Amino acid sequence: GQNIDQPTEMTATEGAIVQINCTYQTSGFNGLFWYQQHAGEAPTFLSYNVLDGLEEKGRFSSFLSRSKGYSYLLLKELQMKDSASYLCAVRELYNFNKFYFGSGTKLNVKP
Amino acid sequence: KAGVTQTPRYLIKTRGQQVTLSCSPISGHRSVSWYQQTPGQGLQFLFEYFSETQRNKGNFPGRFSGRQFSNSRSEMNVSTLELGDSALYLCASSWGVDGLQNEQYFGPGTRLTVT
Repeated sequence: GQNIDQPTEMTATEGAIVQINCTYQTSGFNGLFWYQQHAGEAPTFLSYNVLDGLEEKGRFSSFLSRSKGYSYLLLKELQMKDSASYLCAVRELYNFNKFYFGSGTKLNVKP
Repeated sequence: KAGVTQTPRYLIKTRGQQVTLSCSPISGHRSVSWYQQTPGQGLQFLFEYFSETQRNKGNFPGRFSGRQFSNSRSEMNVSTLELGDSALYLCASSWGVDGLQNEQYFGPGTRLTVT
């Protein structure tokens, strides 16, 4: 199985940069995904990492270190609409398409 | 293209009853996964269906079951409902094929309340 940890809640200021960490312990790793979920809505896909390093997509970047079981999501130039929960999900190696989600990090962006 | 749809959006049931939830994936997607989301437990994996076969299963009791039809639409059934089954049930679709990124696209969910 998997054990995935994320901070419960974070607060940041509009225009700033925030880093949301995710650590995982896995019996087999086959990719890490980040999703954004606004209150009352479904999660939407943000980014995917399967190899070590940084993946950049506009204001959002995600980093992975497989040896450390660690990932982070970096949000730049924060906007009020970025207030949401951010979910880290790990896909198992031996059960293709089986995902384990962290409990999510609620990000509050203040003016 | 149309997104993932789920019906119904809201349900209120009584303890002991059973319920069936439906999910229609994005056209072309053959994998449908079901999740239970609660404030305390987050998103928990129930099961995944691919080409009408259950390919993966989470750690839920046998009261939770599902199936997938030839058009990839999926249903989830919960029998003998308990108060603790109150949750948001999300389905997600993806290509489900090895070698692809296979990010999941989520439906809006069915909010189930058991009284």
